[in-house]
Amino acid sequence: ETGVTQSPTHLIKTRGQQVTLRCSSQSGHNTVSWYQQALGQGPQFIFQYYREEENGRGNFPPRFSGLQFPNYSSELNVNALELDDSALYLCASSTDRLYEQYFGPGTRLTVT
Amino acid sequence: AQSVTQPDIHITVSEGASLELRCNYSYGATPYLFWYVQSPGQGLQLLLKYFSGDTLVQGIKGFEAEFKRSQSSFNLRKPSVHWSDAAEYFCAVLSNSGYALNFGKGTSLLVTP
Repeated sequence: ETGVTQSPTHLIKTRGQQVTLRCSSQSGHNTVSWYQQALGQGPQFIFQYYREEENGRGNFPPRFSGLQFPNYSSELNVNALELDDSALYLCASSTDRLYEQYFGPGTRLTVT
Repeated sequence: AQSVTQPDIHITVSEGASLELRCNYSYGATPYLFWYVQSPGQGLQLLLKYFSGDTLVQGIKGFEAEFKRSQSSFNLRKPSVHWSDAAEYFCAVLSNSGYALNFGKGTSLLVTP
């Protein structure tokens, strides 16, 4: 059974640029959630996708957007990057039993 | 809103000693509670969860947690800590919406020889 994978591992971008992060869900999982973890903090919920539709959203601006594909993989897109967007971005997948979420290793984004 | 508080930012224990990490929740009904562990450079690994029923739950790696409604707590315990347990530990509660996890700020565990 393949776990949750994310790419890339690390990324450095300049303020104002756009970035796309990718996530492959665990086999058999149809729901993907994205979290932002700033240094020294707990993860914060960005949004969740279920069957290619946004299922819920946290307190993040519209420049954070996402997609889910028919194979249940997902992308997180961030436009107009700001310095405060520097963080570890975590993807988690789950089944219809939404409360058990399994996390990938994360993508470390640095905005300079 | 549902939230959890982890009062201890850092905890240091000797290898072989017992461990208790504190977590307090704020929620009206019976919460869905979780403990996750994060090793450096790794994602979050689910240690255990509580939804209902027996208030003492067993997890992986020898961890257990006890749900105490009267104290609004869900503390994580381990009778004998190993050096490999050094990591960041996060308590989380499922939001009212049923799809978001609300995490605490974490407790960093250091294990000394």
